Amino acid sequence: EVQLAQSGTEVKKPGESLKISCKGSGYIFANYWIAWVRQMPGKGLEWMGSIFPGDSDIRYSPSSQGQVTISADKSISTAYLQWSSLKASDIGMYYCARVDTSGGDSWGQGTLVSVSS
Amino acid sequence: SYEVTQPSSVSVSPGQTARIPCSGEVLAKMYVRWFQQKPGQAPVVVIYKDVERPSGIPERFSGSTSGTTVILTINGAQAEDEADYYCYSASDTNWVFGGGTKLTVL
Repeated sequence: EVQLAQSGTEVKKPGESLKISCKGSGYIFANYWIAWVRQMPGKGLEWMGSIFPGDSDIRYSPSSQGQVTISADKSISTAYLQWSSLKASDIGMYYCARVDTSGGDSWGQGTLVSVSS
Repeated sequence: SYEVTQPSSVSVSPGQTARIPCSGEVLAKMYVRWFQQKPGQAPVVVIYKDVERPSGIPERFSGSTSGTTVILTINGAQAEDEADYYCYSASDTNWVFGGGTKLTVL
């Protein structure tokens, strides 16, 4: 069974750094794109970017470029989303999703990020 | 940027058919997925490639398409189907989401 296990809730202050993770299991991690999606309270969903762990090909949304860094370590089947300096506007639930055009995407359970002084 | 629209809410009685439309010009060019989201749970894809149903998803869920509109249909909706439903399309360089529809079964 394909599973994506995300790291737990984070409570941070503005200006702090953060790295959240998404560990895949039940499939060959290197062979599928992983996307990161943000869901803000009371607002819609926003794609932030995607990574292909096999060769670390990364695509960012225009609004996320330069704001976050996406990476992956295929040796431990884990993808990451990181910030060097959080802003209050970065709050939200962050999901990772395995992109599978032939069988349906699989989503992680989400990581809640709270940023407050 | 592409826009994809869904009704904010749909209500049906148990056993009735629920239909949730998703419209947008981009949908004529890209396959649509639908996911179901219940409070505190991970999203679950119920339809992909416009009309395909992943293994494990009940047969009462189906998808259809006509030009720039796709429709998620739940035949014989059950109380357990009450959730938020989102349509989305994804490519290597862009994902587009609908605003979500809250399905109430009462």
